[in-house]
Amino acid sequence: DSGVTQTPKHLITATGQRVTLRCSPRSGDLSVYWYQQSLDQGLQFLIQYYNGEERAKGNILERFSAQQFPDLHSELNLSSLELGDSALYFCASSPGFSANYGYTFGSGTRLTVV
Amino acid sequence: AQSVTQLGSHVSVSEGALVLLRCNYSSSVPPYLFWYVQYPNQGLQLLLKYTSAATLVKGINGFEAEFKKSETSFHLTKPSAHMSDAAEYFCAVQVIYNQGGKLIFGQGTELSVKP
Repeated sequence: DSGVTQTPKHLITATGQRVTLRCSPRSGDLSVYWYQQSLDQGLQFLIQYYNGEERAKGNILERFSAQQFPDLHSELNLSSLELGDSALYFCASSPGFSANYGYTFGSGTRLTVV
Repeated sequence: AQSVTQLGSHVSVSEGALVLLRCNYSSSVPPYLFWYVQYPNQGLQLLLKYTSAATLVKGINGFEAEFKKSETSFHLTKPSAHMSDAAEYFCAVQVIYNQGGKLIFGQGTELSVKP
């Protein structure tokens, strides 16, 4: 157990729907990062939050949004889902905002859009 | 822009043989570099990290990596492969920006170990 908790582990939904992925960071970590992993694109950075504030956006679609709550857990919202959104979504956390010492990853949420 | 390139998407070795996974980086500043391992249906686990201290970095499970500035490389090695080493391995570089930092990952190298 890495200490980073992601729920749900698996999600199957239909095109056009909206889903919410949840992440609880390791105790004491203030930064949360979201990544999308697919066979063709590899690991793509989506967004970073630090202590409730958005710090950076990567290749995140406008249909996707995220937030970090006061208790530091984070949610990634995916809407108007398309078949191409099927992927593994990982959350990672780190103590500070610079990822100097790397991340701790959760076990991921596998999203299948049918 | 900082990036990493992993040479070889698939590497196959025999059990007991040397493991060598290649990673080259591009960075205009002294980089922080990382190797992660991903087992099937699991998240990524940190193997080792280079943070500008010793150039030879030892990690978990017998892996090590050497930072070579002249070659802009950070290759991962293990003297003797074990069946349990079969997994996907990712090299990553830290990217710093005004408000934070993140890791950029290579495309990954899948390691197969033959009995």
